[in-house]
Amino acid sequence: QSVLTQPPSASGTPGQRVTISCSGSSSNIGSNVVNWFQQLPGTAPKLLIYYNNRRPSGVPDRFSGSKSGTSASLAITGLRSDDEADYYCAAWDDSLNAGLFGGGTKLTVL
Amino acid sequence: EVQLVESGGGLVEPGGSLRLSCAASGFTFTDYSMNWVRQAPGKGLEWVSSISSSTTYIYYSDSVKGRFTISRDNAKSSLYLQMNSLRAEDTAVYYCAKRGYSSEWWLDDWGQGTLVTVSS
Repeated sequence: QSVLTQPPSASGTPGQRVTISCSGSSSNIGSNVVNWFQQLPGTAPKLLIYYNNRRPSGVPDRFSGSKSGTSASLAITGLRSDDEADYYCAAWDDSLNAGLFGGGTKLTVL
Repeated sequence: EVQLVESGGGLVEPGGSLRLSCAASGFTFTDYSMNWVRQAPGKGLEWVSSISSSTTYIYYSDSVKGRFTISRDNAKSSLYLQMNSLRAEDTAVYYCAKRGYSSEWWLDDWGQGTLVTVSS
């Protein structure tokens, strides 16, 4: 059971907007930045969002992140078939002195 | 271009040991903290360990504490994970990941992973 809680699945049709939530606590999301990773089938994870809402070079602005209190969310607009992947939130936990990942959300594009 | 190449994975019996390596290139290795993250077959990502650039700060997940040891050789731009007393639940793909250049924590580059299978 992950300390960061994500819905196990999400879905949408092409062109739609989808959001994925990530819930934590005061010792992780509440006091540290949130990051999001995309993992396409059979590949290594890729950093999608860092520092709550910043995009690495090359990540389309269709992807955006936000954080409020002890929760965060990832939004994907203009959904495309190649967005089908697993998405993970992550944050450092000051009480555990450990990195934490959410359980992952499998996004299906219908 | 940042490159992280893991090696050393394989099949090992329960109770055995294995040493993973990660060869880094394309960035100044001595400037960055490094991490190991693993993923059991069909499961999510699990953070394993991190080591600061000067090795001053080392952290482990509770699941591996006392059995795994992270280390680095800055002269060789290499990261290591010594895994002892291996258990079936340690079976996973192990990724080497570079932390972002910041006091905050994120992992901006990942290797392709190396598979560790613990089975008799």
